[in-house]
Amino acid sequence: SQQGEEDPQALSIQEGENATMNCSYKTSINNLQWYRQNSGRGLVHLILIRSNEREKHSGRLRVTLDTSKKSSSLLITASRAADTASYFCATDMGRRALTFGSGTRLQVQP
Amino acid sequence: DVKVTQSSRYLVKRTGEKVFLECVQDMDHENMFWYRQDPGLGLRLIYFSYDVKMKEKGDIPEGYSVSREKKERFSLILESASTNQTSMYLCASSPSQGSYYEQYFGPGTRLTVT
Repeated sequence: SQQGEEDPQALSIQEGENATMNCSYKTSINNLQWYRQNSGRGLVHLILIRSNEREKHSGRLRVTLDTSKKSSSLLITASRAADTASYFCATDMGRRALTFGSGTRLQVQP
Repeated sequence: DVKVTQSSRYLVKRTGEKVFLECVQDMDHENMFWYRQDPGLGLRLIYFSYDVKMKEKGDIPEGYSVSREKKERFSLILESASTNQTSMYLCASSPSQGSYYEQYFGPGTRLTVT
């Protein structure tokens, strides 16, 4: 089964609104990462949050991590049509390779 | 910028054929990975390599093998392609910096086995 599970599976919002995606995982982690994938392309790294961090910002992105609940959220503020993509969380459990969730498909309507 | 390239964007092969997917990275990364991506299942790790000639099985290695003869190149081999191996294949690389690394992905190869 997947280590990371994103919620919701799909999200449709209007341009200018905020988008929030959640990720839950099952075992302890070293860090958690978020990636973005445009349709039919490879993934691009967005942000990494370490297990001893609770919140991190990068531009319009805000990531939180709650290790007691084994969950993370990605907030995209003031969304744009260009933010339309799939977003994946990935967990590092210390085995060199990341474990990816099944992703959230975000559609931002212009 | 890190660049990860994959030999083909689209590939069509017949059942039973031996298929080679090539991946090359230009940033001297120690770690390289092969994933397959299927709708609703996300990315699943097939194999990864942390050094030349070293490899480790991922979560779904059955039906696949890999080769890493040079640091910059990591090949995925489908010994006898089957229709259930129709998928998007993604290669990635990362530097070895303890546990805190990001992965850099290639554009993907969409393989269809008929």
